[in-house]
Amino acid sequence: AVTQEPSFSVSPGGTVTLTCGFNSGSVSTTHFPSWYQQPPGQAPRTVIYNTDTRSPGVPDRFSGSILGNKAALTITGAQTEDESDYFCVLYMGNGISMFGGGTKLTVL
Amino acid sequence: QVQLLESGPGLVKPSETLSLTCTVSGGSINSGAFYWYWVRQRPGNGLEWVGYIFYSGTAYYNPSLKSRLSMSVDTSKTQFSLRLNSVTAADTATYFCARQVTTGDWFFDLWGRGTQVDVAT
Repeated sequence: AVTQEPSFSVSPGGTVTLTCGFNSGSVSTTHFPSWYQQPPGQAPRTVIYNTDTRSPGVPDRFSGSILGNKAALTITGAQTEDESDYFCVLYMGNGISMFGGGTKLTVL
Repeated sequence: QVQLLESGPGLVKPSETLSLTCTVSGGSINSGAFYWYWVRQRPGNGLEWVGYIFYSGTAYYNPSLKSRLSMSVDTSKTQFSLRLNSVTAADTATYFCARQVTTGDWFFDLWGRGTQVDVAT
C-alpha cells in the first residue's frame, strides 16, 4: 500500500513537507511519483509529476523530491488557497498506478 | 481544451450492474500516448484504481474486481465505459475517469470531476 500522513497543519507563510511511502519497500524515481491537489467536490489537479516536475501553472512554492525512502511534496510559503487534500501516485509498471490515501492539509 | 466527463446512474440496486461512461470532449481518444483509467474513492478511503483501457480496446483490471469488471472504448464517440456486475454496498463510491500519460512520465494529466454511485435498495 501507498502511505501518506492522514492530516497536516501549517501556518500561512510556513513550510510543510508531505510524504508518500510504500510499505513494500523504498520509493524511488523509478516509481515516477506524482502529486495531486483535490479540493472538496472538485476534480484532482496535477501538481508534481516525475518526482520533481511542476505541472504548468503550478506556483514555484510547490516542489517535489525523494527524501530518504519516500517521495515528498514541499510547500514553501504556504498560502491559504493551498488548503486541500493532496494525494500521491506511484507507478508500478505495466500501466498500473497505485494511489496513496491522501493528506488533508490545513493552512491556519 | 480537453475535458473528461463521467455519466451514469447515481443509484444502483445490490446485485445489479453498474454502468458508467466517460466522454472525452475537445480531444481524441485514439492515441497511443495515453491509458484511459477508472479510479474510485469509497467513503472514508483513499483512491483505488479500478482499471484502464487503451484505445485499441486492450484493458487491464484491478485483480480484486476482475471477475466482475469489463471496460470498453468507442473511439468514434470518444468515450470509454465501465461495467461492474453484481454490485454490493462496498461498491458505493465516487468514480473518476482519468487520463494517464504513457510516454515516459507515467502520471495523470487529466481528470473528470467524478460521479457518485450509491448501491442501495
